Amino acid sequence: NAGVMQNPRHLVRRRGQEARLRCSPMKGHSHVYWYRQLPEEGLKFMVYLQKENIIDESGMPKERFSAEFPKEGPSILRIQQVVRGDSAAYFCASSQTPGQSTYEQYFGPGTRLTVT
Amino acid sequence: AQSVTQPDIHITVSEGASLELRCNYSYGATPYLFWYVQSPGQGLQLLLKYFSGDTLVQGIKGFEAEFKRSQSSFNLRKPSVHWSDAAEYFCAVGGVDMRFGAGTRLTVKP
Repeated sequence: NAGVMQNPRHLVRRRGQEARLRCSPMKGHSHVYWYRQLPEEGLKFMVYLQKENIIDESGMPKERFSAEFPKEGPSILRIQQVVRGDSAAYFCASSQTPGQSTYEQYFGPGTRLTVT
Repeated sequence: AQSVTQPDIHITVSEGASLELRCNYSYGATPYLFWYVQSPGQGLQLLLKYFSGDTLVQGIKGFEAEFKRSQSSFNLRKPSVHWSDAAEYFCAVGGVDMRFGAGTRLTVKP
């Protein structure tokens, strides 16, 4: 059973370009989470999605950032007009239905975004 | 609002010595608590979790953690550290909107 997959693993963008980060959850998982990790810091929650629904986006910056989890295909985190401060590691996690004793979030290897 | 504090940014222990990493949380209800480990350049791996029941939780790689409601703590312990345990350790609280501590970096001396 493949784990959570993220691609690309490394992404370099110039200021003003768009960055698209992809996440394929574990098989059987319909809940996806995105986190950002700045250097020397912990993970910061960004958004929680189910298929075709954004459930909680309280951690998303108000501008330039968006996320989706379509009925088919991976979840996408999109950053428009990137700035140097967007350079970070972006982690995706997936889970089964929250609230059950088996609940845990499984993390992907991350995408390291560098904005030059 | 829920939050997690890991008071120790960096800890160094000798191989074979015991280890305790501290975690304090703030949460409105009975929390879900987790410890994750992150090796350099890697994602996070779950070490253990607490939902309810026995307050002493056993995890992988010989780690355990104890939930103490009165102290709002969930400290991670290991009786004998191995060089391969050198990594960053994160405590987390919550459910779908999980909150992570800033992490504790563990260095293991030979």
